[in-house]
Amino acid sequence: KAGVTQTPRYLIKTRGQQVTLSCSPISGHRSVSWYQQTPGQGLQFLFEYFSETQRNKGNFPGRFSGRQFSNSRSEMNVSTLELGDSALYLCASSLAGARVGGANVLTFGAGSRLTVL
Amino acid sequence: DAKTTQPNSMESNEEEPVHLPCNHSTISGTDYIHWYRQLPSQGPEYVIHGLTSNVNNRMASLAIAEDRKSSTLILHRATLRDAAVYYCILAESGAGSYQLTFGKGTKLSVIP
Repeated sequence: KAGVTQTPRYLIKTRGQQVTLSCSPISGHRSVSWYQQTPGQGLQFLFEYFSETQRNKGNFPGRFSGRQFSNSRSEMNVSTLELGDSALYLCASSLAGARVGGANVLTFGAGSRLTVL
Repeated sequence: DAKTTQPNSMESNEEEPVHLPCNHSTISGTDYIHWYRQLPSQGPEYVIHGLTSNVNNRMASLAIAEDRKSSTLILHRATLRDAAVYYCILAESGAGSYQLTFGKGTKLSVIP
């Protein structure tokens, strides 16, 4: 079965621009979460969506936003890009339902590598 | 969030067993222990998880201490493909949302 698909895989933007990243979860997975990975901060949680609703958000500024569509596909947007936004953005999907157990397993995509110049 | 402590790096010879330790002294009774690994230029990949009992799957084994304050991921026969960063993570049970808190992990090098 197809895994988690993220597009684009690589992109270059300049400061002040905005970017939209896309994530297609595994079929049947309704929970989608996003993580940012940088060499300095490691992997950090951005937000999680379930049934088109954001359930949780990490400690990131409002420039980072996301949404989930009725088919569970998700997008995240970063506005007014800064140099520090250069990172690998990872999307993960899971079978998590309305109530999530600690046994829930995430399947990650390969990520979208964003470079801000 | 409960935290885990792992060595920064470890080395193993190819085809030898590897034991990757993780300390989680503040684990709560309902926290699951998860292991993920990240190969170069890829997203993290689920390896194994457990609650109280030892667990085996096709990738690895997870040995959990009786007091649950530590655990060990066991790769029975390291291959070059196992060179990766291994993350030990505690996942809460019963939350209304789900997020994983990644530490810095253990970078495993496999020597041919």
